[in-house]
Amino acid sequence: EAGVVQSPRYKIIEKKQPVAFWCNPISGHNTLYWYLQNLGQGPELLIRYENEEAVDDSQLPKDRFSAERLKGVDSTLKIQPAELGDSAVYLCASSAGGVRTDTQYFGPGTRLTVL
Amino acid sequence: AQTVTQSQPEMSVQEAETVTLSCTYDTSESDYYLFWYKQPPSRQMILVIRQEAYKQQNATENRFSVNFQKAAKSFSLKISDSQLGDAAMYFCAFRGSGGGADGLTFGKGTHLIIQP
Repeated sequence: EAGVVQSPRYKIIEKKQPVAFWCNPISGHNTLYWYLQNLGQGPELLIRYENEEAVDDSQLPKDRFSAERLKGVDSTLKIQPAELGDSAVYLCASSAGGVRTDTQYFGPGTRLTVL
Repeated sequence: AQTVTQSQPEMSVQEAETVTLSCTYDTSESDYYLFWYKQPPSRQMILVIRQEAYKQQNATENRFSVNFQKAAKSFSLKISDSQLGDAAMYFCAFRGSGGGADGLTFGKGTHLIIQP
């Protein structure tokens, strides 16, 4: 079974430029998460999707960040415009959802460097 | 809001020895789930072990076991017979029982070094 796929693995951009990250969850997983991991820190939840609906986006900086999950499968996280402080690893995770002892499976992440 | 604290930024152990990583958490919930994840340099978060708060028995997965003390809100990870492949960042994580698929709250991690 394929795991969570993310692309690109690395991205270097100039500040004020837009950037997008893509995530393909494990087949059949209804719940998808985007986490932000700063250097030396644990991941922090940005947004959670149940199918195509964003059910928890309270930690997503909506002035510059946006996300979508069309058709309840793949998801894209976008930053526009990027700032120096956005340099971090962006992790995507998925879970089967609807089960109390649900486990989240993570992708390899995208490391973003903003110059 | 829940918080997770890992007080050991770095731990070092000799190969084949046993090491214990500490984790404490704060929550007002009575039903929740606790996890230990391993993150090697490849950045892939890998689930090591999971504990349901309503279960009194400590979880065990091969060389990995936990000491879950609910009253003390403590959740430590013991790695027996340490191997070079165990070297990684280890994160303790909390999830409430509310939505069934809530996001995880992570600690800052412990960097585990295995000395050959």
